[in-house]
Order: sequence, then structure tokens, then C-alpha cells
Amino acid sequence: GENVEQHPSTLSVQEGDSAVIKCTYSDSASNYFPWYKQELGKGPQLIIDIRSNVGEKKDQRIAVTLNKTAKHFSLHITETQPEDSAVYFCAGPYGGSQGNLIFGKGTKLSVKP
Amino acid sequence: KAGVTQTPRYLIKTRGQQVTLSCSPISGHRSVSWYQQTPGQGLQFLFEYFSETQRNKGNFPGRFSGRQFSNSRSEMNVSTLELGDSALYLCASSLAGLNYGYTFGSGTRLTVV
Repeated sequence: GENVEQHPSTLSVQEGDSAVIKCTYSDSASNYFPWYKQELGKGPQLIIDIRSNVGEKKDQRIAVTLNKTAKHFSLHITETQPEDSAVYFCAGPYGGSQGNLIFGKGTKLSVKP
Repeated sequence: KAGVTQTPRYLIKTRGQQVTLSCSPISGHRSVSWYQQTPGQGLQFLFEYFSETQRNKGNFPGRFSGRQFSNSRSEMNVSTLELGDSALYLCASSLAGLNYGYTFGSGTRLTVV
């Protein structure tokens, strides 16, 4: 079946460094790729998304890149801060425009002060 | 603007019992999706409702069911509870589905003893 693979499962960085999380997908028809941040005791929060007609999208310290040929997309966080510590999930669509989201297994990011 | 509201936040049930969880989507959102989140399996799609109709269904047994009301509020029901049903159940709402992005609630933590 369709799936989304996410790496690494854990990531520890020093405050101020950059963090990169990568995901691959299998459905070549996929055209929408969101990233979610989940803090302890809360539901996932959408932080950025990208559609297949765009190669890169930025929002302040967060950016997402998409390589449709290689079927992978990445989340880049620059100048990391302790409040960036959380679990990050990538997701991809399954079942066409009226389908649902399939999530990666998550990356636990720890930013050390 | 109120977010997605899930009730109750915590629930403890005994094996064999049934349980009903509730989700109130963001005003104006017509799509409601349900996900099960566990440490081992991550976020798994249960089902999606749009305009009171189930539009998509994941690979869960028939013990898991749901419905959506005319005001877009949704409920999910799990019958004959098993220990393995212990999880965080998340509801996500969207204007009309996948391409409009999803907003998650904080979830209902179900513990089966």
C-alpha cells in the first residue's frame, strides 16, 4: 500500500543550529504535503505545507522543499530554539483529491540550550 | 475563532465495554477525519466524514464506527473494547477535505483496562 517514510526518528541539535527532516512517498500522483508539529499533550498543529507545483516554500525560520522526481520532501528549521522541541510529522495524500492523509512515523526533535 | 473541540479529554474503560467520542469541528468546516495515535503504530487513519456521509475508511475492524450530524459535529464509537484500543484518538476538521488542510483537536486519551 501507499506509505510515507520519515527520517530520522530522533534528532538532537544545539540551539541556533539547523535541523532537517526528510520524508519519501510512493504515490506519484501525490500533490499535497503538509508538516505537523506535536507538543506534549496536544494534537498535531499544521506548521507548513507545500503543493506539487512549487519546489520550495518558506515561512520565517521554517522551509519545505519538494523533489517530485525523487519523491521526497524535507523540512528545514533554521536558528533552532528550545521551543522548537517537539515531534514533527510529515504527511502525504492517499486516495486522490478526496482521500486522506498518511503520516510518517514522526521525528522527535530536541533543541539543547 | 474556536478550534476543533474533542470531548472527553480522558476516558478509562473496561475490556468489552463500548465508548463514544465526540468532535466539534471549526465552524464552517464540513469534513471531519478521525485518527488513532499509538507509540507503536503512529497516526493511523480511521475514517472521514463529509456532509454526513462516510467518504473514506481506513483499515480498522468493524468495531470502529462513526457518524456525522447535520451541524458537522462527529462521533466515533468503539464497541467491545480491547486492551489494544488504548490510544489517543484525534479528530481533524477541514473546509472540504484534503486540499484545504486539516486542523486537529487535542484528542481523547482512551485507556482500556
